[in-house]
Order: sequence, then C-alpha cells, then structure tokens
Amino acid sequence: ETGVTQSPTHLIKTRGQQVTLRCSSQSGHNTVSWYQQALGQGPQFIFQYYREEENGRGNFPPRFSGLQFPNYSSELNVNALELDDSALYLCASSLPSGEFYNEQFFGPGTRLTVL
Amino acid sequence: GDSVTQMEGPVTLSEEAFLTINCTYTATGYPSLFWYVQYPGEGLQLLLKATKADDKGSNKGFEATYRKETTSFHLEKGSVQVSDSAVYFCALINAGKSTFGDGTTLTVKP
Repeated sequence: ETGVTQSPTHLIKTRGQQVTLRCSSQSGHNTVSWYQQALGQGPQFIFQYYREEENGRGNFPPRFSGLQFPNYSSELNVNALELDDSALYLCASSLPSGEFYNEQFFGPGTRLTVL
Repeated sequence: GDSVTQMEGPVTLSEEAFLTINCTYTATGYPSLFWYVQYPGEGLQLLLKATKADDKGSNKGFEATYRKETTSFHLEKGSVQVSDSAVYFCALINAGKSTFGDGTTLTVKP
C-alpha cells in the first residue's frame, strides 16, 4: 500500500506567476484535502475534494483552485502568486465515514518559495 | 469561525516526566477532535482522536478526553520518553472543514 505522495518537493517562483502542485492519494482513498502551513504555524485548511467535487473550503481567495481526477489524485493551482504564499503545502487523503471523519494521511509536502 | 488554541511551547521535560499539553477549541455544532504528531524529518501523522463528548482517545501511552463542557481536549502522557520529542498539533473537523492549532514543540531530555 503506497502512501500519499506529493510533487515537486521544492519549488521557487516569482511574484505574479502561477504554480501547480500535485498529490497522489493513498490507495482507495477518495477524499483529498489541501493545507497551507506557514513556518511556525499549524496547517490552514484550503479545500477538500470528494469524488472530483469541491466538498468544503477554508478562507482562501479564488486564486487558489483545485482539481481531483477519476483516480483520486489531485492538483492545487495558485494564480498571481504573492510573497505571502511562501509556505509548505500539504495534501492529505482519507475515506469519509458518515458524519464523522476518518484519519487523514498526510503527504510530505511541497515547499513553495515566492520571490 | 472555528478555532483551536494550544498551550505555547516549547516544552522541555526530563525522561519519565508527566506531560500535559493543553488544547481548547471554539466551534459550532459537534466537531471531531484530533491530536497529530510530527516527528523530526517526518510528515504529520494521527496520534489519537475522539468523535463525541466524553470519548477518550488513546495511543502509544498518550490520552485525551473530549470535554464539551470546557471545550477542551488536553493531551497527557504519564511518562515521556526521548523518542516522544516532536511537534504536537491539536485539530478539529467540523462540517467538513479542518482547523489546526499552531503546534507545541516537545523536547524530552535523557
């Protein structure tokens, strides 16, 4: 059973550019969540995808968008990058379980630096 | 919106000492509560969880009880080891949205 993988590991972009981050969920998991973790802070929830549909969103502007594919892998796209977007971006996969939520399995993250 | 507040770190303890890391939350409805741990050089992993009031989550000697009356989910361990050195995050999931605390760094010295 493979775990959650993310690519790339590190990325450097300049202000105003666009970036795409990728995530492969754990085998059999149909729910993917994306988080932004700034240095010294906890992960901030960006959004969640369930069966290719956005299923919840945190307080992030529309320039943060995502996709989930039929194989449940996912992409996070950020347009018009700002310096404050520099952070570790985490992907987590899980299986939803009724009104409660199963364990989320986190990937190692992508470190994005915006210059 | 929802929020999670953890006791500020860092926390430094000697081996075999008792550990408490405080966590309080603000949320509407009935969130599920979690503790995650991040060991040096590794990703976040679930330590324990509780899905309703008075539930106790436990794992690897760590425990936390979901206290709705005090909106708390404090993490405890009776005797810490050097291998418990890590960053601990308290979190909740409510209506499909996750909220994490800022983390507490624990260092255990031999």
